[in-house]
Amino acid sequence: DAKTTQPPSMDCAEGRAANLPCNHSTISGNEYVYWYRQIHSQGPQYIIHGLKNNETNEMASLIITEDRKSSTLILPHATLRDTAVYYCIALPYNQGGKLIFGQGTELSVKP
Amino acid sequence: GAVVSQHPSWVICKSGTSVKIECRSLDFQATTMFWYRQFPKQSLMLMATSNEGSKATYEQGVEKDKFLINHASLTLSTLTVTSAHPEDSSFYICSAISATAEAFFGQGTRLTVV
Repeated sequence: DAKTTQPPSMDCAEGRAANLPCNHSTISGNEYVYWYRQIHSQGPQYIIHGLKNNETNEMASLIITEDRKSSTLILPHATLRDTAVYYCIALPYNQGGKLIFGQGTELSVKP
Repeated sequence: GAVVSQHPSWVICKSGTSVKIECRSLDFQATTMFWYRQFPKQSLMLMATSNEGSKATYEQGVEKDKFLINHASLTLSTLTVTSAHPEDSSFYICSAISATAEAFFGQGTRLTVV
């Protein structure tokens, strides 16, 4: 599985957009980019995933560069409840859900 | 979304005793479940793959005799920490995989060994 690199921490003001970057320069053609988050002392929560097209759901948007070497998760209007560690994972779709977590980005949303 | 429940949410046990943690998929069947461990300020570390009706597959460095995994039904996997010691104190998390290969996580179990 491709290695991903994320900044260890970021701050965001409440109500503003939070843009979380992820570098996956060695990603292969069959690997999707998945985003999960973990609120303190809880299990991880699925956010979104994509292959090469930009994706949007009720939680977030995922922007993947044309060369697929990096992506950005966008929380359009961050709230205090979005404070969590965000994990970007590159995974083949047929890997059967075996997620290997890196260190992630600790996002702090501040009032 | 699908619901995965872990029980107990937290447990305190004495050193040398064994503790069983349950992971249930409440509204779907899961032939595969995964167990993770997470120490404070660290990321989740995959411990093992639990397959219904067969032996678990352990990641390198995880003692299979210490962390017993049983996946006897399509909705239940159990992790038993045998002869627990203080260094086994951690946050244990399971995930259950749906038919569409999506991973749904339990809420985690905080184990404290005293």
